[in-house]
Amino acid sequence: QVQLVQSGAEVKKPGASVKVSCKASGYTFTNYHMQWVRQAPGQGLEWMGIINPSGGRTSYAQKFQGRVTMTRDTSTNTVYMELSSLRYEDTAVYYCAIWTTGTDYDHWGQGTLVTVSS
Amino acid sequence: QSVLTQPPSASGTPGQRVTISCSGSSSNIGSNTVKWYQQLPRTAPKLLIYSNNQRPSGVPDRFSGSKSGTSASLAISGLQSEDEADYYCAAWDDSLNGRVFGGGTKLTVL
Repeated sequence: QVQLVQSGAEVKKPGASVKVSCKASGYTFTNYHMQWVRQAPGQGLEWMGIINPSGGRTSYAQKFQGRVTMTRDTSTNTVYMELSSLRYEDTAVYYCAIWTTGTDYDHWGQGTLVTVSS
Repeated sequence: QSVLTQPPSASGTPGQRVTISCSGSSSNIGSNTVKWYQQLPRTAPKLLIYSNNQRPSGVPDRFSGSKSGTSASLAISGLQSEDEADYYCAAWDDSLNGRVFGGGTKLTVL
């Protein structure tokens, strides 16, 4: 079965960077684009961007351009999301997910809580 | 401020039918399919509806989706206590070149 297992919770200071990992299993890693979505406490879902694990091509939401970098390691079937210049408002649960249009193929990681605190 | 607009809350009593709306524009709902997610506290979103009105296997037929123009709706009939959750609509936005979500609707079963 498809599994997306994310790295553990992080606490970072303002201005620092955080790198969250998402290890995929149960499907062909290069066949599905990986998405990142975040959810601030008590707030809704916010799409951050997407990476194609096959060639590494990325597309980021305008809000995060310049601060987010998504990479992948095909040898370990792992995708990474790095967010830099952290602000208090970046405190959120970060999810990796894969989905397709037109089918019910839709899988999410368990989420990684990133807390930005001085 | 979410690109897709949902009411922040909805409620109903057991057995009732409730509807949650999702309003968008021509660049998202108007030209792409809609998904609906259910999110229980401290868990990842779970797909409830895809392609506007299709249910994944395992989702009860009490849940149904529809779309008309630039709006979509999720209907839950025969409301049950375990339906108490947050519900989100989602669609691709051609102008933003990214996925957009509604702000979420918190459903309370009275």
